Amino acid sequence: QKEVEQNSGPLSVPEGAIASLNCTYSDRGSQSFFWYRQYSGKSPELIMFIYSNGDKEDGRFTAQLNKASQYVSLLIRDSQPSDSATYLCAGGSGGSNYKLTFGKGTLLTVNP
Amino acid sequence: DTGVSQDPRHKITKRGQNVTFRCDPISEHNRLYWYRQTLGQGPEFLTYFQNEAQLEKSRLLSDRFSAERPKGSFSTLEIQRTEQGDSAMYLCASSLGWGPLAMDGYTFGSGTRLTVV
Repeated sequence: QKEVEQNSGPLSVPEGAIASLNCTYSDRGSQSFFWYRQYSGKSPELIMFIYSNGDKEDGRFTAQLNKASQYVSLLIRDSQPSDSATYLCAGGSGGSNYKLTFGKGTLLTVNP
Repeated sequence: DTGVSQDPRHKITKRGQNVTFRCDPISEHNRLYWYRQTLGQGPEFLTYFQNEAQLEKSRLLSDRFSAERPKGSFSTLEIQRTEQGDSAMYLCASSLGWGPLAMDGYTFGSGTRLTVV
């Protein structure tokens, strides 16, 4: 069974701090990884994707991938109260049978 | 609006009734997915289509569930003889689905929240 594991949290950080969200996956065939943000009662929205080992930065967000350790993370710098949401990690295997497997999500609260 | 559209947004039904949900994907996306999400859980895969072909169905999708995408455009998800355990958010997503890595990810619709009473 392909699984994506996340700490459910909640994770609470003060405004302006760095929030660190972590994810592990079991399927070594997974090739691409996605971070989605989901506000309460809303649908997930894509923040970032990563498919190469190392770091990928986009504004205040940095995704990190370590395929040897089967580990993905998302760092949010200068956290804002508007970042308070559930963050979903998802892994996808490529090719013709492509679909994403999601973790349960980590609830992040940024305190003003 | 060029996003993924789902209808209805909310549905309350009595146990045993049939319900049908509709999803209109982004027009240039050839892949369409259905997921189900319950409180405190991540989205769980139900089924997906490449154009009009249904390529995979999850074991979660019992015989009471059926999905169609008749012309490769919009899709419907029908649940027959609803049960209280069917109460969830039903999410539709679409993607381009190109290339070996398919790095475009999904674009989700707003979801249909089903409550079975």
